[in-house]
Parts: sequence; structure tokens; C-alpha cells
Amino acid sequence: GAGVSQSPRYKVAKRGQDVALRCDPISGHVSLFWYQQALGQGPEFLTYFQNEAQLDKSGLPSDRFFAERPEGSVSTLKIQRTQQEDSAVYLCASSFSGNQPQHFGDGTRLSIL
Amino acid sequence: QQPVQSPQAVILREGEDAVINCSSSKALYSVHWYRQKHGEAPVFLMILLKGGEQKGHDKISASFNEKKQQSSLYLTASQLSYSGTYFCGTERYGGSQGNLIFGKGTKLSVKP
Repeated sequence: GAGVSQSPRYKVAKRGQDVALRCDPISGHVSLFWYQQALGQGPEFLTYFQNEAQLDKSGLPSDRFFAERPEGSVSTLKIQRTQQEDSAVYLCASSFSGNQPQHFGDGTRLSIL
Repeated sequence: QQPVQSPQAVILREGEDAVINCSSSKALYSVHWYRQKHGEAPVFLMILLKGGEQKGHDKISASFNEKKQQSSLYLTASQLSYSGTYFCGTERYGGSQGNLIFGKGTKLSVKP
């Protein structure tokens, strides 16, 4: 596709459930980033992949958060045993390389009840 | 570590100018500027890498001071389409490439 695609667009889950969020980056983009954006705030870095290698996961809030990009293309962000504070918009971005412009997807709005 | 953006919000009439500032307590590797409309993805505007750099396209430009601690975004002759929240994302020395730390944003509203 022409841009970064994220699915689902909206996700509602009950507290304690596991969720999986998908990101399909722009074709040919080596770098992939996940961000968390709370209402009225700027995006907060979660993790960074270069191809299939996860080079930085310093922003993941807890060990309930896990991200993978097994073939260096599509990435999945998984949140286990969701809690209410996990409610946010999760943004994915991709770029040709780490310090090039990042192109963002529309995000997944996650609501934990 | 989070850069400080100012002002927090600004309201303009069409055709007026605005300046948005982004400041850091430490020298930065780069500054990235984005605009985000409500419910949409942030859209890339420009990257600044060099101290003293100025760049821009059309009526939107930006500067990066010599010490690489402050960047400013200049919006001239504003249009209704400029409305949105502007974020600076900063890349620090020693961090992983592309690990951007964003400010809290500046909400810009352009009125007819």
C-alpha cells in the first residue's frame, strides 16, 4: 500500500484480556517504530526495529508488552493481561532508515473496560 | 528529557503568522516537526540536523540554533488547513536512531 496501515482501527477489550495490534509498514522501509499516545499528549516511544531485529525496547512500559517483526515487514504489538492504563492510541511508523522521516499510520485506539 | 514546546495553544486569523518553539536542556542530534489533525496520523513536515540550519517549503519553515538546543517552526500567511497540533520530536546524542522524544504539542487553530 501507499502508506503505513494499522489494524484494527479501534479495539475494545475487557481488563485482563490479551490484545494484538498489527502494523503493515511502507514497502521497503527498514525501520519500524511503535509509539503510545495518550489523549492530549505527544507520542511516546515504545520500541524500534531494524528489519527483524528489535534494537531498542526501552520504552515498553512493562513485561506485559511484547513486539515482534519476524520477517522484517509486518509487526505485531501484543499486550497481555490488559489494564485500564493501557488505554491509548498506539501508533506505528516506518522509515527508510533510523534517522529518516518517519511515516505514521492512523493508529489503533485501544480502550480497556 | 522531554522537549518543551511553546506556546501550548495559539489562535490565528487566516493570513496571520505564527512561531512555535521547541527547547531542550541538552544539545540534540536532530529535530523532527510533525502536524497532527484530530483522529489522524502525525504528518511529517521537516527534519533539522545541523546547528544554524534553516529550511522550509512554501510558507512553512524551521530553524535550528547553533547550539542545537532550540528549534522554531514558522508558519506564514496561515491557511485554514494549517490547523492542528504541532509536535517536535527530538533525537538525542547516544540514543538509538529514530528514538524520538516528542514535546506535548502546540495546538494551532486558524479561523476564517
